[in-house]
Amino acid sequence: DADVTQTPRNRITKTGKRIMLECSQTKGHDRMYWYRQDPGLGLRLIYYSFDVKDINKGEISDGYSVSRQAQAKFSLSLESAIPNQTALYFCATSDLRQEGSHEQFFGPGTRLTVL
Amino acid sequence: AQSVTQLGSHVSVSEGALVLLRCNYSSSVPPYLFWYVQYPNQGLQLLLKYTTGATLVKGINGFEAEFKKSETSFHLTKPSAHMSDAAEYFCAVKKGFGNEKLTFGTGTRLTIIP
Repeated sequence: DADVTQTPRNRITKTGKRIMLECSQTKGHDRMYWYRQDPGLGLRLIYYSFDVKDINKGEISDGYSVSRQAQAKFSLSLESAIPNQTALYFCATSDLRQEGSHEQFFGPGTRLTVL
Repeated sequence: AQSVTQLGSHVSVSEGALVLLRCNYSSSVPPYLFWYVQYPNQGLQLLLKYTTGATLVKGINGFEAEFKKSETSFHLTKPSAHMSDAAEYFCAVKKGFGNEKLTFGTGTRLTIIP
């Protein structure tokens, strides 16, 4: 089974709708991240969380919110979706307790289309 | 602020030829550097990383990269391209221990010509 899972994998929604993307991990990592990927722009950080009580904005947090329901779960919400939020969204995890690692582990992505 | 520049959004090489994907970074402190690969319809997978120590690092699938501080570069190479190397490659930089933000380059799509 995958260590980092994302649901749904694909979603088509309409402008103005509220949508939630979910991420779960079985790696036991404390840090979790949400990125979006757009062609030609690479990956950009939306939000990140160092533990359940810690939420931080990334470089493009406007229009998004997050919830860290448990160490293993980190959800991304679009309160009122707009077409320019059409993108590929990735969840990632990391654990600095793994000395020397510094690696982030990525989920398979959610392709979101806002019409 | 740190940034990453990947020269060439698309690179094509013949099967068996050298693969060279370029990455330059800017960072105010000694960086940690990464190359990730993304195969079609998949998430990102770590190819290799430089944190400290030896500046030539070897990764999976025969790839390697060399950290050159004087040139602020971390180019990715593979001596002989294989069809299975076709993917998108991302260079990323992190400011160092304790700073969790990864800054990604815009990616390079590698096409292998049979």
